[in-house]
Amino acid sequence: DVKVTQSSRYLVKRTGEKVFLECVQDMDHENMFWYRQDPGLGLRLIYFSYDVKMKEKGDIPEGYSVSREKKERFSLILESASTNQTSMYLCASTLGGAWTAEAFFGQGTRLTVV
Amino acid sequence: QKEVEQNSGPLSVPEGAIASLNCTYSDRVSQSFFWYRQYSGKSPELIMSIYSNGDKEDGRFTAQLNKASQYVSLLIRDSQPSDSATYLCAVNSGTYKYIFGTGTRLKVLA
Repeated sequence: DVKVTQSSRYLVKRTGEKVFLECVQDMDHENMFWYRQDPGLGLRLIYFSYDVKMKEKGDIPEGYSVSREKKERFSLILESASTNQTSMYLCASTLGGAWTAEAFFGQGTRLTVV
Repeated sequence: QKEVEQNSGPLSVPEGAIASLNCTYSDRVSQSFFWYRQYSGKSPELIMSIYSNGDKEDGRFTAQLNKASQYVSLLIRDSQPSDSATYLCAVNSGTYKYIFGTGTRLKVLA
């Protein structure tokens, strides 16, 4: 069974903390994505990566960075957490080079910044 | 103009009826189209994908694509209360990037 696993289901952090969200996939997918999902705004792309050590900004990269040192792992970093980063964060992966490819999602991390 | 537009709903249908969910997109070069179902508090899961004009059927689900009108829809026949969820339309223009609509909330009334 294919899997995308996010390290935490729920997370509560304080303003100003550095926060790491981890995502691991076992499907040997080239492409990995980080989205945030907010009511009324849908899924918004933060960053994506199409290969190890490669990354591209999405629509809302401000306040975030990413790391992809291994093919199976894609980390999202909140350099200094703020209350407006309270959200549901979703990681996804797809097979590279295939525009027909289905996106597989992790279970999501609900982050609350207080 | 939003790139992928969906009516947010809620769309309420009685059990056993046909639910019709609609999506329009702005990028004419879009090549692949997906419908995801998302239960409350859960992550999206793929229901259907469609790449060419016409209808594609899978069980109780039918996806319809009209590229000339930039329109894609999802029909759910014999709707069940378990179909109550938010349905997300996603579009890919042949790049790495998938654009998601904000979703339509469907409520199937028992």
